[in-house]
Amino acid sequence: KAGVTQTPRYLIKTRGQQVTLSCSPISGHRSVSWYQQTPGQGLQFLFEYFSETQRNKGNFPGRFSGRQFSNSRSEMNVSTLELGDSALYLCASSPSPTGYEQYFGPGTRLTVT
Amino acid sequence: KQEVTQIPAALSVPEGENLVLNCSFTDSAIYNLQWFRQDPGKGLTSLLLIQSSQREQTSGRLNASLDKSSGRSTLYIAASQPGDSATYLCAVLDSGGSNYKLTFGKGTLLTVNP
Repeated sequence: KAGVTQTPRYLIKTRGQQVTLSCSPISGHRSVSWYQQTPGQGLQFLFEYFSETQRNKGNFPGRFSGRQFSNSRSEMNVSTLELGDSALYLCASSPSPTGYEQYFGPGTRLTVT
Repeated sequence: KQEVTQIPAALSVPEGENLVLNCSFTDSAIYNLQWFRQDPGKGLTSLLLIQSSQREQTSGRLNASLDKSSGRSTLYIAASQPGDSATYLCAVLDSGGSNYKLTFGKGTLLTVNP
């Protein structure tokens, strides 16, 4: 089976712009989670989707949003980018509704200038 | 609120040495614990998953133990190799409620010197 794929792999944006990142889970996995990784804060949970429903959201401002499509693919959007949004954004999928055993993609490196 | 701590933050060892990485968590009501490896700028590779009812898991030169009651896990790497150099992260999946998220430690940066 193909692993979790994320596009694009690298992105450079300017402050104030918005960005959309995409994640395709492993075939058959319906749970998709997003995490932000920065040197200072480490890995922090953004949100989790299952069957197109957001079930949990981390402590991030409303500028961060996401959605999941009927084929389980997911997108996350960040509006009005700030310098502090520069990070590695990781997507994970799980074969279980409980999020049991998550498989991670390679990440999208976002740089905000 | 679950908090995960990893000690040490960095470790440098000569090739061939056996080593132990430590992970502790504050809330013992966990569903499972996963150990991951991350190479610089890359995603996470799952190494071992221990269910809350298990005490340990083994894969090749890696052995992970879990003591849920004390909130501790260790990752033992036998006969370390330069290719083992990476950041090792532990993460717990809390049980109960509508959680569905992993809580991560900050990781241990391992360097194995030839």
